[in-house]
Amino acid sequence: AQSVTQLGSHVSVSEGALVLLRCNYSSSVPPYLFWYVQYPNQGLQLLLKYTSAATLVKGINGFEAEFKKSETSFHLTKPSAHMSDAAEYFCAVSDDYSSASKIIFGSGTRLSIRP
Amino acid sequence: DVKVTQSSRYLVKRTGEKVFLECVQDMDHENMFWYRQDPGLGLRLIYFSYDVKMKEKGDIPEGYSVSREKKERFSLILESASTNQTSMYLCASTVAMSTGELFFGEGSRLTVL
Repeated sequence: AQSVTQLGSHVSVSEGALVLLRCNYSSSVPPYLFWYVQYPNQGLQLLLKYTSAATLVKGINGFEAEFKKSETSFHLTKPSAHMSDAAEYFCAVSDDYSSASKIIFGSGTRLSIRP
Repeated sequence: DVKVTQSSRYLVKRTGEKVFLECVQDMDHENMFWYRQDPGLGLRLIYFSYDVKMKEKGDIPEGYSVSREKKERFSLILESASTNQTSMYLCASTVAMSTGELFFGEGSRLTVL
């Protein structure tokens, strides 16, 4: 069965610092992986997705994530944090690309940015 | 722009009341979903629908039902609300199951007293 674990329910970084949000997955088949972001009082929106093409995936707002099969990881990074990046981030995995109903979401990581 | 609208942002209901949560999308999407979001648990799928009048149970359907009479509208129904259904409810839609890109509404925060 597939699962996803986000390490750290809350991460705080200074403005301009590196952002690193950790995600590890478990899947019996090559997975499809996603990062979604939820800004305050808004719904989730897709940040980026990995679908077995390039292992380094670039998303919106300067974020990127790298698929590492050997580590079963899909960590999200951004070189320089901005105040507007404060939000909750969800990693998600699916082992069935034919059905969005099979997407499993992690528990979320709240990112805070210190001035 | 893609738009998924949940009509009620905040609701307060009493135990035993019947609750309707409405969701409308303007993107002509075939597929619609209802999730509940709880701190530390992420999103859990309640029900989804891949066509008008069609519905499938998700991971936590107990205590809920849904209705999809028109393509653009997907309703979540709590027949008899209980306190453990206090939560944030998120509606989503997608053009095709295979894209993996879900478009979400802003959520409906339900409190059951």
